[in-house]
Amino acid sequence: SQQGEEDPQALSIQEGENATMNCSYKTSINNLQWYRQNSGRGLVHLILIRSNEREKHSGRLRVTLDTSKKSSSLLITASRAADTASYFCATITIYNQGGKLIFGQGTELSVKP
Amino acid sequence: GAGVSQTPSNKVTEKGKYVELRCDPISGHTALYWYRQSLGQGPEFLIYFQGTGAADDSGLPNDRFFAVRPEGSVSTLKIQRTERGDSAVYLCASSLTKDPGNEQFFGPGTRLTVL
Repeated sequence: SQQGEEDPQALSIQEGENATMNCSYKTSINNLQWYRQNSGRGLVHLILIRSNEREKHSGRLRVTLDTSKKSSSLLITASRAADTASYFCATITIYNQGGKLIFGQGTELSVKP
Repeated sequence: GAGVSQTPSNKVTEKGKYVELRCDPISGHTALYWYRQSLGQGPEFLIYFQGTGAADDSGLPNDRFFAVRPEGSVSTLKIQRTERGDSAVYLCASSLTKDPGNEQFFGPGTRLTVL
C-alpha cells in the first residue's frame, strides 16, 4: 500500500521557472527520500532528509520536511527541459529495521523550452 | 563499476505460465530490494534480502510470488501461474547495507506483460 500522496499529480511549467512538488505521508518516519524517474523505468535517487532535519539543499534542489504535518516539499529552481520526469517521494518508517521504501503516487513534471 | 542490471528488459508471457526475472546488484551490496510498479503508480515494495535471507517479504501479493538470493548476490523473482494483473514493471534495487540511511540504486526494470 502507498504511504502517502503527492500533489500536484501533474505540473507543467516553462523553462527557468521554479517547480514545487508536495508529499504527505501517514506514519512516523526514519527518513524521506525523493526520486526521479524518466520514461517509467529506473529511478534515480535525488536527496534524503532525515526525520530530525527540516531543510536540505543539493544543487538546484531544496527539500523541506515538516514532521508535525507529515509533509515534505521538493523545490527545483531554474528548471530546465531536461528536468522533465516523474518525481516520487518515498519514506522509510520507524517500524522497519531495513530500507523498505514506501513510495507516493508521484508528480509528473513537464518543463517546456 | 557497473550499476544494477536486470534481465530480461521485457518479458511477454501467456496467462498461466511461469516466469523468472533476474537482478544483478552492485558488487558488494548486501541489501537487495524488489519493487513492482504499475502504470501511473509509484513503486510498491515486494521483498528485500539482507545477504542470502529474505529479511522482509511482506509485500509479496500471494504465494505465486517467490524470490531467492542463494549466494547473496544475484536474485531471481519467480512468478507462478501468471495472471494478467501481474503485468507491471518489476524494479530491483541494491544498497550497501540494509541501513535506512543508505541510498538505494535502482536497475532499469523488467517490463512484464501477461497476455
